[in-house]
Amino acid sequence: GENVEQHPSTLSVQEGDSAVIKCTYSDSASNYFPWYKQELGKRPQLIIDIRSNVGEKKDQRIAVTLNKTAKHFSLHITETQPEDSAVYFCAASINDYKLSFGAGTTVTVRA
Amino acid sequence: DTAVSQTPKYLVTQMGNDKSIKCEQNLGHDTMYWYKQDSKKFLKIMFSYNNKELIINETVPNRFSPKSPDKAHLNLHINSLELGDSAVYFCASSQFGGELFFGEGSRLTVL
Repeated sequence: GENVEQHPSTLSVQEGDSAVIKCTYSDSASNYFPWYKQELGKRPQLIIDIRSNVGEKKDQRIAVTLNKTAKHFSLHITETQPEDSAVYFCAASINDYKLSFGAGTTVTVRA
Repeated sequence: DTAVSQTPKYLVTQMGNDKSIKCEQNLGHDTMYWYKQDSKKFLKIMFSYNNKELIINETVPNRFSPKSPDKAHLNLHINSLELGDSAVYFCASSQFGGELFFGEGSRLTVL
């Protein structure tokens, strides 16, 4: 099955700086790559996703890039704010129904 | 209006007991899921139902039995609870395997 690795496991950044989280996947047939944000004690929520026919997607301060050849994708958060502090999960799937999640990255934005 | 609701939010029980968690979605989605989030925050899919039919059944002990009476409901029954079953169980739904909408989670503690 699909195996998704996510790095780093924790990330501390100064408010206003950028944060980058990287994920690799094992199955070259994967074609859907969402990112979920989970605030403390809350449910995971989708923040951005990308499909394999696109190399980059941006939504305000967040962007995702995909390199299918290298089988990795990354989340970029610019101008970080305290409300960006959360656990971020990358995921990959072949058929959309079965998402394989990375282990998560705990992001702390220092004021 | 809560999109995906699950009850109860907290369960505390003794080893060997049986417990159930109920989930309902009012989004009209065709697919529902159960995910387990352990103490290290790792999100792992357990089951998925599409229009009441089981489509994903990961390597889960057969003490766990899902049941989908209709496409808006997916319940989870757990027999003979063990310490290792302690986790947060998230119900989720999606349409055609797209964005996952999670419930608030049910925190199960087995003593």
